[in-house]
Amino acid sequence: DADVTQTPRNRITKTGKRIMLECSQTKGHDRMYWYRQDPGLGLQLIYYSFDVKDINKGEISDGYSVSRQAQAKFSLSLESAIPNQTALYFCATSPSGTGSSEQFFGPGTRLTVL
Amino acid sequence: AQRVTQPEKLLSVFKGAPVELKCNYSYSGSPELFWYVQYSRQRLQLLLRHISRESIKGFTADLNKGETSFHLKKPFAQEEDSAMYYCALRGTGANNLFFGTGTRLTVIP
Repeated sequence: DADVTQTPRNRITKTGKRIMLECSQTKGHDRMYWYRQDPGLGLQLIYYSFDVKDINKGEISDGYSVSRQAQAKFSLSLESAIPNQTALYFCATSPSGTGSSEQFFGPGTRLTVL
Repeated sequence: AQRVTQPEKLLSVFKGAPVELKCNYSYSGSPELFWYVQYSRQRLQLLLRHISRESIKGFTADLNKGETSFHLKKPFAQEEDSAMYYCALRGTGANNLFFGTGTRLTVIP
């Protein structure tokens, strides 16, 4: 089945470390997204990409960067992790086109910054 | 600016009772509204969208532009409905979803 996968699924790191979270998809979708989920805050958009050459900031991009290495891969980096970046991170994809608004989510990566 | 409000963080109902999860939004144009659901140990997934006007797993949601609401309803709750529910909005011509903070529904047997 076409899928959205995230690696790692869990990660514990220390303040100041550089961390990369990876997302891969076999759905053939052009659009990819990174969200973070915090208790009581729902999902907030970090970055999104509509194709390999297109990267856009979301609501909370400070402290994060992304790389769209291929249509199927979208990585999220924390250049210097801090404790308030402890959260659950979700990758999502969607097909392009005005009528294609459903997003398909990965299983999530739980990141803890000590 | 767009905003999605889900006033209830937790909601418990008995099996067989009606359930309504509230969602209100703030948006100046004509939004697209969605309900996403996350069952235990499963991924977040689309439950329904207002433009489809469909009933999924017995759930319905009607967009009320006058009250700027998109409440999710089901006449008879089932135990398998226990999950986290998120209301989401997409603005006109936009490509991003804005999510509410979610409501955790527990159906008591």
